[in-house]
Amino acid sequence: DAKTTQPPSMDCAEGRAANLPCNHSTISGNEYVYWYRQIHSQGPQYIIHGLKNNETNEMASLIITEDRKSSTLILPHATLRDTAVYYCIVRSYSNSGYALNFGKGTSLLVTP
Amino acid sequence: DGGITQSPKYLFRKEGQNVTLSCEQNLNHDAMYWYRQDPGQGLRLIYYSQIVNDFQKGDIAEGYSVSREKKESFPLTVTSAQKNPTAFYLCASSHRQANYGYTFGSGTRLTVV
Repeated sequence: DAKTTQPPSMDCAEGRAANLPCNHSTISGNEYVYWYRQIHSQGPQYIIHGLKNNETNEMASLIITEDRKSSTLILPHATLRDTAVYYCIVRSYSNSGYALNFGKGTSLLVTP
Repeated sequence: DGGITQSPKYLFRKEGQNVTLSCEQNLNHDAMYWYRQDPGQGLRLIYYSQIVNDFQKGDIAEGYSVSREKKESFPLTVTSAQKNPTAFYLCASSHRQANYGYTFGSGTRLTVV
């Protein structure tokens, strides 16, 4: 399985862009990069995913480097409600089937 | 509305008792998963099922059991063999293909006293 590395915590001022990095240097060619977030004591929420190209939806943008060894999740205008733990995950077929392997993620604190 | 429902939200049990956590989805997803989360930690995979009547152990299956008799349902039993059962349990479902995300339930917080 391709593993991911994320900073344990980040701060961002409200209204500014939050850029959350993720390293996945051992990613394989057919593995997708997924981002989820978890607000305290709730189930994780899907944000976005991608394979090679950059992706954008109503929540965020995902920038994947050309060599696919790292990616950045961008929340363009962070709000206080974006305070959460953000998980970067590579979905691979392993002995867990297509199960997602969650690490500890990045705890994002959006401040007023 | 389609979704995934976990019940109950909070559960208290005495040590040594088995307890079953419910997970139901109406999203027509083939795959279902159970994760455990401890304070300040990420999610760890307990069991998963890719299709009805089939399931596989995840990373921390010891002390747990599951069944998948219906596509919509994937109950998790925490047995007395589980040494530290107090945790937050999350159920998820998805299509089987790799380019689909998961939908998570709201979780069950189990406390064993």
